[in-house]
Amino acid sequence: KQEVTQIPAALSVPEGENLVLNCSFTDSAIYNLQWFRQDPGKGLTSLLLIQSSQREQTSGRLNASLDKSSGRSTLYIAASQPGDSATYLCAVSTSGTYKYIFGTGTRLKVLA
Amino acid sequence: AAGVIQSPRHLIKEKRETATLKCYPIPRHDTVYWYQQGPGQDPQFLISFYEKMQSDKGSIPDRFSAQQFSDYHSELNMSSLELGDSALYFCASSQFAGWSSDTQYFGPGTRLTVL
Repeated sequence: KQEVTQIPAALSVPEGENLVLNCSFTDSAIYNLQWFRQDPGKGLTSLLLIQSSQREQTSGRLNASLDKSSGRSTLYIAASQPGDSATYLCAVSTSGTYKYIFGTGTRLKVLA
Repeated sequence: AAGVIQSPRHLIKEKRETATLKCYPIPRHDTVYWYQQGPGQDPQFLISFYEKMQSDKGSIPDRFSAQQFSDYHSELNMSSLELGDSALYFCASSQFAGWSSDTQYFGPGTRLTVL
């Protein structure tokens, strides 16, 4: 059974810092991995999608990497801003099922 | 670009009442997924449909049922509502291409409050 863990659970950093969020999964037979942002009480905003055959994806200040063999993905946020404050969720779909298993999330706060 | 539409966006019900949530996928998407996110929790998979047939099932209570219609929209029916059903319900759609499935696109969610 696929299990997805995110560390840290919460993170508070000063504005301008570069930071890394971690996502670990137990079953390496994944189809894809997607990073989402969620503001309190709001919906899911897709940030980056990495297919199983890919190693990384970049969008603006965001870079996500995937290492299937070690069951890990990282989301790198460069030059963090107060507007980046939100909960970040990673979700994994396992080959053959396609449903997403979500991680527990990292609650990020960027201080001005 | 068209996105996934969910209605209603907010719904307030009393215990033991019924509720129907609707999801309209992105045009030409044939697969729909339903997720439930309780307060302070991560989203949990409920059920999915491909070409109007149930394709996968998660931790969906027996009080809940769902279906996908000929126009590919989906409805989640919830009966005998309990306080614990209060949550944000997401619908996602994707395009299944033979052996693989494309990215899941999520709707804005329906917030259900059971009083």
